Amino acid sequence: SQQGEEDPQALSIQEGENATMNCSYKTSINNLQWYRQNSGRGLVHLILIRSNEREKHSGRLRVTLDTSKKSSSLLITASRAADTASYFCARISNQGAQKLVFGQGTRLTINP
Amino acid sequence: ETGVTQTPRHLVMGMTNKKSLKCEQHLGHNAMYWYKQSAKKPLELMFVYNFKEQTENNSVPSRFSPECPNSSHLFLHLHTLQPEDSALYLCASSQGGGGGNQPQHFGDGTRLSIL
Repeated sequence: SQQGEEDPQALSIQEGENATMNCSYKTSINNLQWYRQNSGRGLVHLILIRSNEREKHSGRLRVTLDTSKKSSSLLITASRAADTASYFCARISNQGAQKLVFGQGTRLTINP
Repeated sequence: ETGVTQTPRHLVMGMTNKKSLKCEQHLGHNAMYWYKQSAKKPLELMFVYNFKEQTENNSVPSRFSPECPNSSHLFLHLHTLQPEDSALYLCASSQGGGGGNQPQHFGDGTRLSIL
């Protein structure tokens, strides 16, 4: 399968703690993207990290990419209840037309 | 407000009905996508349109028929669907050539239930 694997599948932490979600993939990539999906809503793009980048920040979000290990992580610092959502990594398929392939996601719950 | 609007938000239809899903983007993007999101399965790409031309049909059954009259509008025509077609159907748009090099902007989806 070309699809990435996110782990954990579900994560529950207390508000204020940091949350780390991981994504592994099997094929080479040009870039990797992270998205968030709140319940009943569409996906929202968070960060795009290119294959020649190792780390990227956006507010309380930090994404790392290790192409040698074919893995990426998303760190949310000082979590808030509003961060409760599903988080997906996505990267370009290298078979056929260039298209985004999404993983199954991590369901993150922030407990107040 | 994501700039991508999908209607209707919810749709219940019988297997013999014909209905259409609509998507409109106000972002000036030139690529539009249909995805299917089923419970406990990864997001599945269905169709890609780039400058109104279909560039990807991911082996989707013919009971799903897309239409893209211009770069801002995308439709998904449905007919004789099956119960397993019940899912959340998401529309997205992006700049670029319809690949994965640009972030995609999603609508909030149409929750489809087939009776």
